[in-house]
Amino acid sequence: QQQVKQSPQSLIVQKGGISIINCAYENTAFDYFPWYQQFPGKGPALLIAIRPDVSEKKEGRFTISFNKSAKQFSLHIMDSQPGDSATYFCAASIGQGGKLIFGQGTELSVKP
Amino acid sequence: DVKVTQSSRYLVKRTGEKVFLECVQDMDHENMFWYRQDPGLGLRLIYFSYDVKMKEKGDIPEGYSVSREKKERFSLILESASTNQTSMYLCASSSMVKTQYFGPGTRLLVL
Repeated sequence: QQQVKQSPQSLIVQKGGISIINCAYENTAFDYFPWYQQFPGKGPALLIAIRPDVSEKKEGRFTISFNKSAKQFSLHIMDSQPGDSATYFCAASIGQGGKLIFGQGTELSVKP
Repeated sequence: DVKVTQSSRYLVKRTGEKVFLECVQDMDHENMFWYRQDPGLGLRLIYFSYDVKMKEKGDIPEGYSVSREKKERFSLILESASTNQTSMYLCASSSMVKTQYFGPGTRLLVL
């Protein structure tokens, strides 16, 4: 019940395309859902986050869609760029500063 | 600017050695975390601490211990390193209402 399942494991997208990464969770007590971006040799960094009282949050080219009834959330990267090539992790927690449960990660490669 | 530093970027140790991984944050955060990252498994929580001298087990604490004697410093200890502890180790910190900030990671190889 504490798991967060993420798919796909890897994703190849052409420059300018839309990248979509999906996550599903079971624990309805989760109330904070961040996405982290990790470049090789670096630690993960917060990209965007959402709370379950909204269905969508957009920051620039990055959008989180949240479906509370289905217990799913997804990251959409519009107009994907080669600089977006990184590993993306979804996560969930109870409380914003508390411990995070991470998905398995998606390695995104954006081809020029 | 937020900063979490880890004592080493790369470490090579022998089976049975005692290994210390150190993490320091300069943000006066209450919470600190140790994760290990393995391909296909994401990040898994080893231990965390909500205050000085406090520690809580995460999802995979076996074979590890931690120490938090000062608010800014959180150490991960492998009492007797084994080859299955070869991994990337990530430290993070947060305040009670803020996001977690991660260090650059320590890549540990146990031979």
